[in-house]
Amino acid sequence: KQEVTQIPAALSVPEGENLVLNCSFTDSAIYNLQWFRQDPGKGLTSLLLIQSSQREQTSGRLNASLDKSSGRSTLYIAASQPGDSATYLCAVYSGGGADGLTFGKGTHLIIQP
Amino acid sequence: KAGVTQTPRYLIKTRGQQVTLSCSPISGHRSVSWYQQTPGQGLQFLFEYFSETQRNKGNFPGRFSGRQFSNSRSEMNVSTLELGDSALYLCASALPGGGEQYFGPGTRLTVT
Repeated sequence: KQEVTQIPAALSVPEGENLVLNCSFTDSAIYNLQWFRQDPGKGLTSLLLIQSSQREQTSGRLNASLDKSSGRSTLYIAASQPGDSATYLCAVYSGGGADGLTFGKGTHLIIQP
Repeated sequence: KAGVTQTPRYLIKTRGQQVTLSCSPISGHRSVSWYQQTPGQGLQFLFEYFSETQRNKGNFPGRFSGRQFSNSRSEMNVSTLELGDSALYLCASALPGGGEQYFGPGTRLTVT
């Protein structure tokens, strides 16, 4: 059974810093990996999708990498801003009739102005 | 292009009642999935529908059911509500083939 772990569970940094959020998964046989952000009481906003054949994806100040063989992904946020404060969730899809996305518990990020 | 919409946004029900939640996917998306989010368990997969057929089902009791209509809109039903069913219920749509999942704003269900 696939399990996804996100470290750290919470992070508080001053504005302007670059930061890295980590995600690990137990079964490397994944189809893709997706990073989301969730604001309090809201739905999930998709940030980046990485297919299993890809090593990284970039969108603006965000860069996500995938090392499928070691079961790891990182989300890099450059020049953090207070508006980046949210919970960041990592989810993997194993495909082939798998039971939907398997999510980590998330990293609660606070950017101090 | 309109996003995924869910109705109602908030719901308060009493134990033992039943509830129906609705989800309208992004135009052209035929895959609809449902997830339950609670503080203790996080996000858990409920079920997925594609072309009106349930493709996968997570580890939830039979009180949780769903269906999908020919226009890809989906509903989920929870019967005999329990206090533990209080959660944020999220719907996601995607193109077929395991592509990017787009989530709606969720329905906050409170069972008293």
